[in-house]
Amino acid sequence: AQSVTQLGSHVSVSEGALVLLRCNYSSSVPPYLFWYVQYPNQGLQLLLKYTSAATLVKGINGFEAEFKKSETSFHLTKPSAHMSDAAEYFCAVTLRGSNYKLTFGKGTLLTVNP
Amino acid sequence: EAGVAQSPRYKIIEKRQSVAFWCNPISGHATLYWYQQILGQGPKLLIQFQNNGVVDDSQLPKDRFSAERLKGVDSTLKIQPAKLEDSAVYLCASSLDRNPDTQYFGPGTRLTVL
Repeated sequence: AQSVTQLGSHVSVSEGALVLLRCNYSSSVPPYLFWYVQYPNQGLQLLLKYTSAATLVKGINGFEAEFKKSETSFHLTKPSAHMSDAAEYFCAVTLRGSNYKLTFGKGTLLTVNP
Repeated sequence: EAGVAQSPRYKIIEKRQSVAFWCNPISGHATLYWYQQILGQGPKLLIQFQNNGVVDDSQLPKDRFSAERLKGVDSTLKIQPAKLEDSAVYLCASSLDRNPDTQYFGPGTRLTVL
């Protein structure tokens, strides 16, 4: 069975600072990994995905993530935080052959201070 | 292109009452998902439909939850009778095929059970 662990339920950064949201996965076979963002009272929006191609994945809104098999990690980064980045971020994993059932982490709430 | 529609957006009921949620996926999307998102947790898949057939309902509490997708288009999720622990946001998502990177989420229905 697959799982993801998001380190830090709440991350606070200053506007213009680096954003780093951590995600570690557990999987017996090569996984597909995703980052989603959820703004208040809205559904989830896909930020980026890793599906066994390039290990450095670029997504929307300037976010990127790097798949590191040796560290079983898929951390999300953005060089410079913007106020509009304040939201909850979820890491998710799925496996081929599992009906692509997504397993989500518990989420990390990002606060951006002016 | 219209997104995934859900109604109602909010619902407050007392325990032991019944409640139903409705979802209309994006036109042409064959796969439909219902997720439960409890406060402070990531979404958990309850049931997945492919057209009007069930693909995965392993995490659906079948003694009280039921779902249907007649005609392979819109879907209804029902809880009867509701318990306090059912308080959550119920998210509907759809995808054109089984690739999870194409899941589009609706805004959700926030259920409060008193």
